[in-house]
Amino acid sequence: EVQLLESGGGLVQPGGSLRLSCAASGFTFISYAMSWVRQAPGKGLEWVSGISGSGGSTYYADSVKGRFTISKDKSKNTLYLQMNSLRAEDTALYYCAKSSGSGVAGTFDYWGQGTLVTVSS
Amino acid sequence: QSVLTQPPSPSGTPGQRVTISCSGSSSNIGSNTVNWYQQLPGTAPKLLIYTNNQRPSGVPDRFSGSKSGTSASLAISGLQSEDEADYYCATWDDSLNGWVFGGGTKLTVL
Repeated sequence: EVQLLESGGGLVQPGGSLRLSCAASGFTFISYAMSWVRQAPGKGLEWVSGISGSGGSTYYADSVKGRFTISKDKSKNTLYLQMNSLRAEDTALYYCAKSSGSGVAGTFDYWGQGTLVTVSS
Repeated sequence: QSVLTQPPSPSGTPGQRVTISCSGSSSNIGSNTVNWYQQLPGTAPKLLIYTNNQRPSGVPDRFSGSKSGTSASLAISGLQSEDEADYYCATWDDSLNGWVFGGGTKLTVL
C-alpha cells in the first residue's frame, strides 16, 4: 500500500526557512517522480515543485523559483522541500504527491495528508 | 488567477447529471492529457479521472471525462450526496514547464 507522510510544517517568520519531509513507502521510490502541491487556506491547489524518479531533473513554479529546493534521499525513501525566504503568501497546506511514472509530467496518483506551513510575524 | 478556468459553483439534485468544464490553451490542455481530482471536505485530493477519460480502480462509472481541443469536461451522472466536493482539473503546461490546476469547482448536492 502506497503511503506518503509529510512532516516539518509549522509557524515561521517572514524571511525564515523551513524544510518539509515526505516519507514514502509501498513503492519503489527511485522509479517514480514526486511533487509538492500546496493549498492556501480556503483556496485551490497550486503545484510548487517536482523531481524526477532518478532525482536528476527538478522543476519549480515561478512563484517559488530561487527560494525553494526539492530533493529526494533514495536511501531514506524521503522527499524534501527546503523553503527559504518565506513570505506570507507561502502560507498553505503542503501535500506531497507521487507521479504515476518516472517523469514529473506523470499523473499524481497518490497524495499525502499534508503539512501546514504558516508564515507570520 | 488560475491558468485553467473552471466554473465556480454548480449544483444539482440527487440523480441528476452535472458537467464541470475546464478551459485552457494550446500549451496545456491542447498539448497534454487532463486529470481530474476530487477533494472531499477536510481531506487530501484524490485522483478521479486520468489521461482525459480513464478511471482508476474503485472510481464509480458515474464519473466520466472527455477532452476536445483546449477544453475538458468532467461529467457526473446519478448525482449522490457524497459527491459534494471540490473538483479540480490539472494538466502539464509546456510553456511553463510545470503542472497547472483549475481554480476548482465546488459542487453542491441539494
